[in-house]
Amino acid sequence: NAGVMQNPRHLVRRRGQEARLRCSPMKGHSHVYWYRQLPEEGLKFMVYLQKENIIDESGMPKERFSAEFPKEGPSILRIQQVVRGDSAAYFCASSRQDTQYFGPGTRLTVL
Amino acid sequence: SQQGEEDPQALSIQEGENATMNCSYKTSINNLQWYRQNSGRGLVHLILIRSNEREKHSGRLRVTLDTSKKSSSLLITASRAADTASYFCATDAADSNYQLIWGAGTKLIIKP
Repeated sequence: NAGVMQNPRHLVRRRGQEARLRCSPMKGHSHVYWYRQLPEEGLKFMVYLQKENIIDESGMPKERFSAEFPKEGPSILRIQQVVRGDSAAYFCASSRQDTQYFGPGTRLTVL
Repeated sequence: SQQGEEDPQALSIQEGENATMNCSYKTSINNLQWYRQNSGRGLVHLILIRSNEREKHSGRLRVTLDTSKKSSSLLITASRAADTASYFCATDAADSNYQLIWGAGTKLIIKP
């Protein structure tokens, strides 16, 4: 049973470009969470999704950020017009009950 | 705002010694979890302890939970170089069954 998959592992973008981060949950998991981790800090919750449904996006910036979890395919975290402050590690987790299982993360660097 | 706060921020010990990390939180919880993060890697779930449990073991790991003091400790016995990592505690809130609230972590270095 493969774990949570994220790709790409590293992503470099110039200011103003778009970043698309993908997350495939563990088999049998229908809940996906996205977190952001700034250097030397803990994780910050961004958004919680179920298939075709955003349950809670209270941690996501109102502008430029969006997330989806379609019926088929991976969950996508999309950041439009990236700025240097978006540079961080973005982790996806999936769960079936209490325990969230994390992917390896995508490290986004904005030049 | 951060709920879990790990203490100490950094810990350096000799291989074979025991390592103890603490976590404090502010609000009522359903459960508390400990995760490990190796440098440049993703998070690995270590152990979950529920609010009605006081102690839990998993291999060389021992977790305690004191809900009256709103604190938890993670003990790693007979440490190994491979235990070098950052350790995070995460709590859910009693009014949320999915959102985890994280501390900044304890950086553990095991010296050979």
